[in-house]
Amino acid sequence: DGGITQSPKYLFRKEGQNVTLSCEQNLNHDAMYWYRQDPGQGLRLIYYSQIVNDFQKGDIAEGYSVSREKKESFPLTVTSAQKNPTAFYLCASRGLHALEAFFGQGTRLTVV
Amino acid sequence: QKEVEQNSGPLSVPEGAIASLNCTYSDRGSQSFFWYRQYSGKSPELIMFIYSNGDKEDGRFTAQLNKASQYVSLLIRDSQPSDSATYLCAVRLGARQLTFGSGTQLTVLP
Repeated sequence: DGGITQSPKYLFRKEGQNVTLSCEQNLNHDAMYWYRQDPGQGLRLIYYSQIVNDFQKGDIAEGYSVSREKKESFPLTVTSAQKNPTAFYLCASRGLHALEAFFGQGTRLTVV
Repeated sequence: QKEVEQNSGPLSVPEGAIASLNCTYSDRGSQSFFWYRQYSGKSPELIMFIYSNGDKEDGRFTAQLNKASQYVSLLIRDSQPSDSATYLCAVRLGARQLTFGSGTQLTVLP
C-alpha cells in the first residue's frame, strides 16, 4: 500500500532528552514537510525539504533538526533546546508537480 | 493580521442541512486553496482543493473561491453526523508551503 508512515504513534520524552520522530513515504514524492499542531490550533511548519540532501526552515524551526538522506525518509529530531515540545507532530509529502499534500497519521509527543 | 483566518466555531447544524465553512486569506498572490478534514486525535485528510475563481463540486462538497474578496468557502450538503470534525483551510502562495488556518469545529446533530 502506498502511503506515509510515521512512527511511533506516541512518544514520551524526559526533560533534556533528544528524540527522533520517523517519517517514511513510498509515494515517490519529492517534497516532505514537518508540521506541529497544538490543541485547538492549526498546523505550523517546522521544516520542509523539496529534494534529497536539501531542506529549509519553516516558521518554528528553533529546537528542531532534520535530515533528508533518502527520498523516502525525512526524520525530525526534537532537541533539548525545544522548550515546549509537547504537541502533535505531522509529516506530509507532495509530488513534484502536484498541488496537494498528504499527511501521515501523526506522532503525539509528551514531555514527562 | 493572521495570514489565514477561519471562524473557530463551534458550528452546529442539524442532520441533512447545509454546513457553510468560511476562510479568508491576506496575501493576494495566493494561488491554490485547500480544505482538510481532521477528526479528533487524527491527522488531516484532504477533501478538496481549488485554484480558479468560482465553484468546484465533489459529491456533497462544494468549494467556492473569490480571489477579489480573498475568500474561500466549503459547503457540505446533506450534512451527516460523520461530517462532525474540524475543517482546516490552507493556502499556498506559489512554491511556498501551505499556511493553515486554526480550523472550524463542525458538529452535525442527529
